[in-house]
Amino acid sequence: DVKVTQSSRYLVKRTGEKVFLECVQDMDHENMFWYRQDPGLGLRLIYFSYDVKMKEKGDIPEGYSVSREKKERFSLILESASTNQTSMYLCASSLHGSSTDTQYFGPGTRLTVL
Amino acid sequence: TQLLEQSPQFLSIQEGENLTVYCNSSSVFSSLQWYRQEPGEGPVLLVTVVTGGEVKKLKRLTFQFGDARKDSSLHITAAQPGDTGLYLCARGGADGLTFGKGTHLIIQP
Repeated sequence: DVKVTQSSRYLVKRTGEKVFLECVQDMDHENMFWYRQDPGLGLRLIYFSYDVKMKEKGDIPEGYSVSREKKERFSLILESASTNQTSMYLCASSLHGSSTDTQYFGPGTRLTVL
Repeated sequence: TQLLEQSPQFLSIQEGENLTVYCNSSSVFSSLQWYRQEPGEGPVLLVTVVTGGEVKKLKRLTFQFGDARKDSSLHITAAQPGDTGLYLCARGGADGLTFGKGTHLIIQP
């Protein structure tokens, strides 16, 4: 069974802290993605990766970085958390990069920055 | 960025009723996906439509891709409380998905 796991369901951090969100997939997928989901704005792509050590900016990369040292793991890093980064963060993976590929999502991490 | 407009934004109906939600764009898409997201979970793919005019059925859910491949609809027949959720349409691509803002659907018993 396909599985994408995220390290935390809920996280509370303080402004200025460095925050790591971890995502692991067990499907040997090439592509991995990080989105954030906000009321009224929907899901927006932050970063994605199509191979180990490769990364591409999505629509809203400012204030974030990513790391993909192993195929199964994709980390999202908030270098200095700010209150406007309070959000639901969703990780996803897909086998290839075609437009008809299914993306498999993790359950999400709800991050609150105080 | 190709924008996807979904309507209605919110819909609350009684169990047993029929409903249709829409996904529209000014651009042509090679394909379109529909996802459903339940509270506290990530989105789950329901269907992918590729061909203009294509109709796909998933039990009580009927998905249609417009002839011009600029719009899509999801029709639910005899809605059940288990259909409650956020319905999202998305344009796929190698650079990730572009989502509409979704339709929040509540089916009341």
